[in-house]
Amino acid sequence: GNSVTQMEGPVTLSEEAFLTINCTYTATGYPSLFWYVQYPGEGLQLLLKATKADDKGSNKGFEATYRKETTSFHLEKGSVQVSDSAVYFCALRGTSYGKLTFGQGTILTVHP
Amino acid sequence: DAMVIQNPRYQVTQFGKPVTLSCSQTLNHNVMYWYQQKSSQAPKLLFHYYDKDFNNEADTPDNFQSRRPNTSFCFLDIRSPGLGDAAMYLCATSRDAWDRDNEQFFGPGTRLTVL
Repeated sequence: GNSVTQMEGPVTLSEEAFLTINCTYTATGYPSLFWYVQYPGEGLQLLLKATKADDKGSNKGFEATYRKETTSFHLEKGSVQVSDSAVYFCALRGTSYGKLTFGQGTILTVHP
Repeated sequence: DAMVIQNPRYQVTQFGKPVTLSCSQTLNHNVMYWYQQKSSQAPKLLFHYYDKDFNNEADTPDNFQSRRPNTSFCFLDIRSPGLGDAAMYLCATSRDAWDRDNEQFFGPGTRLTVL
């Protein structure tokens, strides 16, 4: 079956530091890949997505590239802000009725 | 703004007392999903509706039921909540179940406490 593995957290950074959160996946076929962000007490918001190999998703300074050869979709941001503190979930959407399979989430805390 | 609304945001119930969580959407999407998210874990899909067709995940307990009386509303019924059912329940919608470009839009969630 499909699965998503995220790097162990939590991650603590200083403001303006570089961020990488690793995500690898196992799936049959050609899934779409997503990063969702969850702020405290809120639901999930789509951060970015990529639907085919070599696509790069980007939003709000975050980027991730769909790497089929390494089955990865790592999230990066060049300079994090305190307001980026949240939980980040990597997810894949397989071919079955749009079901999302999530990674375990990575807690990011950014200090001033 | 078009959105996914969940009520209530916080729900407290007693062990074994039936509880219903509500989700509504103004997006006119065909698909509605219910996820369970326990503390510090990933959301887990319970079931979904494609229009009026109900689809249960194989490992969803029988204690969980759902109703979708119309396009806009979907309910999650927990017949006899146990302590292990305490979680955040997330509702999501999607315009289509098959278009790989379709994203899911999530509501803010209902946090259920079982005493």
